[in-house]
Amino acid sequence: ELKVEQNPLFLSMQEGKNYTIYCNYSTTSDRLYWYRQDPGKSLESLFVLLSNGAVKQEGRLMASLDTKARLSTLHITAAVHDLSATYFCAVDMGSNYKLTFGKGTLLTVNP
Amino acid sequence: DTGVSQNPRHKITKRGQNVTFRCDPISEHNRLYWYRQTLGQGPEFLTYFQNEAQLEKSRLLSDRFSAERPKGSFSTLEIQRTEQGDSAMYLCASSLVSISEQYFGPGTRLTVT
Repeated sequence: ELKVEQNPLFLSMQEGKNYTIYCNYSTTSDRLYWYRQDPGKSLESLFVLLSNGAVKQEGRLMASLDTKARLSTLHITAAVHDLSATYFCAVDMGSNYKLTFGKGTLLTVNP
Repeated sequence: DTGVSQNPRHKITKRGQNVTFRCDPISEHNRLYWYRQTLGQGPEFLTYFQNEAQLEKSRLLSDRFSAERPKGSFSTLEIQRTEQGDSAMYLCASSLVSISEQYFGPGTRLTVT
């Protein structure tokens, strides 16, 4: 059974600081996704990583994938308050592409 | 509107009642997924359709749950004899067969009292 673990589960940051969220998964997969969720809202796709060594950046967020280590990272640079949200990583396997999610990382950026 | 839509957005029901949710995927998407998310957790897979065929169901989907996708367009998820443990956000997502990225709808929040 595929398991996805994120850490930390809770992250309180000051504006302007850098930090990294980690996502480990238990079974070989080449496809990993990062989503953002605001309170009471649905999931917004941030990054789709489809191969070993993939790196994608959007604004202050950068995601990378190491399939050999079964690890993805979401790096936050110079955090701002607007980044406060819950961030989920998800992995899929096989041809059905069903997603297995981590528990999420609740990020709070303080002034 | 080109996104995934879900109705209703909120549903409050009494224990033992039946409820039905609807999902309208992005028009050209032939895959449709249902997930359930409880407070403080990540979404969990329930079932998915390719066109009108239901190809996989999670063991989370008890016999009180049924999903359909007639004609391969919109989908419905029905819960019979609701229980308090069914309270959750029910999320629908759609995708193309050839592309793995899923697009999520706004969700239906169910509260069973």
